[in-house]
Amino acid sequence: TQLLEQSPQFLSIQEGENLTVYCNSSSVFSSLQWYRQEPGEGPVLLVTVVTGGEVKKLKRLTFQFGDARKDSSLHITAAQPGDTGLYLCAGGFQKLVFGTGTRLLVSP
Amino acid sequence: DTAVSQTPKYLVTQMGNDKSIKCEQNLGHDTMYWYKQDSKKFLKIMFSYNNKELIINETVPNRFSPKSPDKAHLNLHINSLELGDSAVYFCASSQQFDGSYEQYFGPGTRLTVT
Repeated sequence: TQLLEQSPQFLSIQEGENLTVYCNSSSVFSSLQWYRQEPGEGPVLLVTVVTGGEVKKLKRLTFQFGDARKDSSLHITAAQPGDTGLYLCAGGFQKLVFGTGTRLLVSP
Repeated sequence: DTAVSQTPKYLVTQMGNDKSIKCEQNLGHDTMYWYKQDSKKFLKIMFSYNNKELIINETVPNRFSPKSPDKAHLNLHINSLELGDSAVYFCASSQQFDGSYEQYFGPGTRLTVT
């Protein structure tokens, strides 16, 4: 069974700080996706990484796929309250396996 | 224009009842899914349909039965509801893109069984 462990589980920071969320597995994935979920809503896709070592940037968010395609990270620069939410990584092809989630709280 | 819609948003019912959740997508996607998110926010796939054909059926009790009348709709019927069925159920749709299936989720249905 493929598992995706995320760390940390919970992160509470002040506006303007930087942070990194990790997504790790012992399995190789053909691609990894990152989603953000806000309370009362469904997850929203942020990015998909498909090549080992790939780095993608989305404004203040930087996503990296590990060289061996077993892990990924999400780095947020100068976090803002609007970044608050549950961040989920997900791997797989047609059948996605979701990570354990990281709850981020950014306070003004 | 809502891409993936679900009804109802909230569902409160008693043990033993039968209930249905409806889902519709207007994205033209071929594949639709049902996911269950538990109280710890863990999201797990239940079923997937591709062009009305069941392609993924995880270890889900037989009380759960999905139905896809056409590729834009995927409904979930639950018989004999149990307390442990309380969760948020998400419908999603996807289309293969660049070697992966990117999911578009509905707003969720919060099911509470009392």
